[in-house]
Amino acid sequence: QQQVKQSPQSLIVQKGGISIINCAYENTAFDYFPWYQQFPGKGPALLIAIRPDVSEKKEGRFTISFNKSAKQFSLHIMDSQPGDSATYFCAASMLPGGFKTIFGAGTRLFVKA
Amino acid sequence: NAGVTQTPKFRVLKTGQSMTLLCAQDMNHEYMYWYRQDPGMGLRLIHYSVGEGTTAKGEVPDGYNVSRLKKQNFLLGLESAAPSQTSVYFCASSNDETQYFGPGTRLLVL
Repeated sequence: QQQVKQSPQSLIVQKGGISIINCAYENTAFDYFPWYQQFPGKGPALLIAIRPDVSEKKEGRFTISFNKSAKQFSLHIMDSQPGDSATYFCAASMLPGGFKTIFGAGTRLFVKA
Repeated sequence: NAGVTQTPKFRVLKTGQSMTLLCAQDMNHEYMYWYRQDPGMGLRLIHYSVGEGTTAKGEVPDGYNVSRLKKQNFLLGLESAAPSQTSVYFCASSNDETQYFGPGTRLLVL
């Protein structure tokens, strides 16, 4: 009940294309859904996040789509660039605090120039 | 602001040796966390702290101990290292829903 399932494990996209990463959760008590971006040799950094009362959130080229009834959410990267090549983690949290945060296994994205 | 810093960056231990990983944050955050990151398994919470002098177990606490004597520091100890503890360790801190991560410590246990 505490799992967050993330897919795909890896993704190769052409420059300018759309990258889509999907996550599914089980526990309806989660109330905050962040996406973290991690470059090699660095720690994860918050990219974008959404709360379950909103179905979509967009920040620049990055969009989260959230389907509360299906308990699924996804990250869309529009006009993907080589600089977007990184590992992306979805997560589900019970606020307050991050000690009830469950991370997905990660998706390694490679954007071909 | 340095944010979250971790020392050391890399360490090699022999089975049975002990060591302490240090995490420091200069953002005056209440919450601090220790995670381990293993291939294909994402980030798993080892221990966390909701304030100075407090600690609690996370998802994978066995073989680790922690201390938070000062608000800005969170120490992770391995009393008797095992090869299964080979991993990349990340410290994070937060005051709300956003966690700020350090650069990580790569630990190899032989």
